[in-house]
Amino acid sequence: DTGVSQDPRHKITKRGQNVTFRCDPISEHNRLYWYRQTLGQGPEFLTYFQNEAQLEKSRLLSDRFSAERPKGSFSTLEIQRTEQGDSAMYLCASSTSTSGRPTGELFFGEGSRLTVL
Amino acid sequence: RKEVEQDPGPFNVPEGATVAFNCTYSNSASQSFFWYRQDCRKEPKLLMSVYSSGNEDGRFTAQLNRASQYISLLIRDSKLSDSATYLCVGLLSSASKIIFGSGTRLSIRP
Repeated sequence: DTGVSQDPRHKITKRGQNVTFRCDPISEHNRLYWYRQTLGQGPEFLTYFQNEAQLEKSRLLSDRFSAERPKGSFSTLEIQRTEQGDSAMYLCASSTSTSGRPTGELFFGEGSRLTVL
Repeated sequence: RKEVEQDPGPFNVPEGATVAFNCTYSNSASQSFFWYRQDCRKEPKLLMSVYSSGNEDGRFTAQLNRASQYISLLIRDSKLSDSATYLCVGLLSSASKIIFGSGTRLSIRP
């Protein structure tokens, strides 16, 4: 399968614990996005990378959240000191860009569902 | 104000009906628009791009009105399989952010 893969698919943790999610994008895609989605809402933009550079972070991404894409391939999203409000589906998507401008077609992974007790 | 706003629905229409969704955007710098479809408990997938001249893909027609800053999606002869959430998406090219609306739920009944 050459699509976007995310791991783990489900994570249940206690409040205050740290969690890390991994995303492996489609190999030839240079752009990688992280979104968060809660029930009844659309995906909320968190951050995106072009290759290894993190180009933008949403104000939703508090100091407890950090994302990396060290070699321009896979990415990790870490949440420190989790809170119940962090419970959501964390979606990763990848895409290509043309002349440095992104196309609008995002290929999403199946998501990592986080439940904070 | 959200950058991309949609009527959340739900829209509940009979099979064969025509249904239309609208979406408004607040940032005039938004350059490109798309409709995505998301099935229950699945990831979003691109349905179609939206062009200023309007574009059609089978039973689906998308329109963009830059003067009024809205996008529309029309589904003709709706099928049971069209039941899903439809997400309006804008590409803010100045920041290369791709912003999703909250989605409109559509349910087609037999």
